[in-house]
Amino acid sequence: EAGVVQSPRYKIIEKKQPVAFWCNPISGHNTLYWYLQNLGQGPELLIRYENEEAVDDSQLPKDRFSAERLKGVDSTLKIQPAELGDSAVYLCASSSGTTHNEQFFGPGTRLTVL
Amino acid sequence: GNSVTQMEGPVTLSEEAFLTINCTYTATGYPSLFWYVQYPGEGLQLLLKATKADDKGSNKGFEATYRKETTSFHLEKGSVQVSDSAVYFCALSVSSGTYKYIFGTGTRLKVLA
Repeated sequence: EAGVVQSPRYKIIEKKQPVAFWCNPISGHNTLYWYLQNLGQGPELLIRYENEEAVDDSQLPKDRFSAERLKGVDSTLKIQPAELGDSAVYLCASSSGTTHNEQFFGPGTRLTVL
Repeated sequence: GNSVTQMEGPVTLSEEAFLTINCTYTATGYPSLFWYVQYPGEGLQLLLKATKADDKGSNKGFEATYRKETTSFHLEKGSVQVSDSAVYFCALSVSSGTYKYIFGTGTRLKVLA
């Protein structure tokens, strides 16, 4: 069974440019999470989806960040415009209704904003 | 609020040494507790978990016991290997209609041959 897929793995952009990250969760997992991981820190939740509904986006900086999961499967996280402080690893994770206690993580996208 | 505190790293050990990584938590209600491991260039992987007090999670020679009285979930391994070099994250999840994870800051382990 394929794990959580994320792309791109690495992205380097100039500040003020837009950037998008894509995530495909494990097949059948209805819950999808986007996390931000700064260097030397643990992951911090940005947004959580149950199917196509964003049920927890309280930590998402909505002035520049947006996310969507239109068909309740894969998801896109966007930053527009990017700032220097957005340089971090963006992790996607998924879980199923029967294994809410275990999240499966993708390899992450490392973003560098110059 | 809910929080997780881990011992700071890096932790450097020789192969076959005993490992302890301390983790304490603060939570309302009855959290589940986890250890995740992150190898270089990879995503986090669940190492072990415990869902109630006095439960012991174990996997790949690692163990951790859910201690409610000390609000701790320390990770231990009797004999580490070079391949155990990674970053270890303690985490908790609380259910209040949703399962929200809180992660510690991670502890980097380096095992020398």
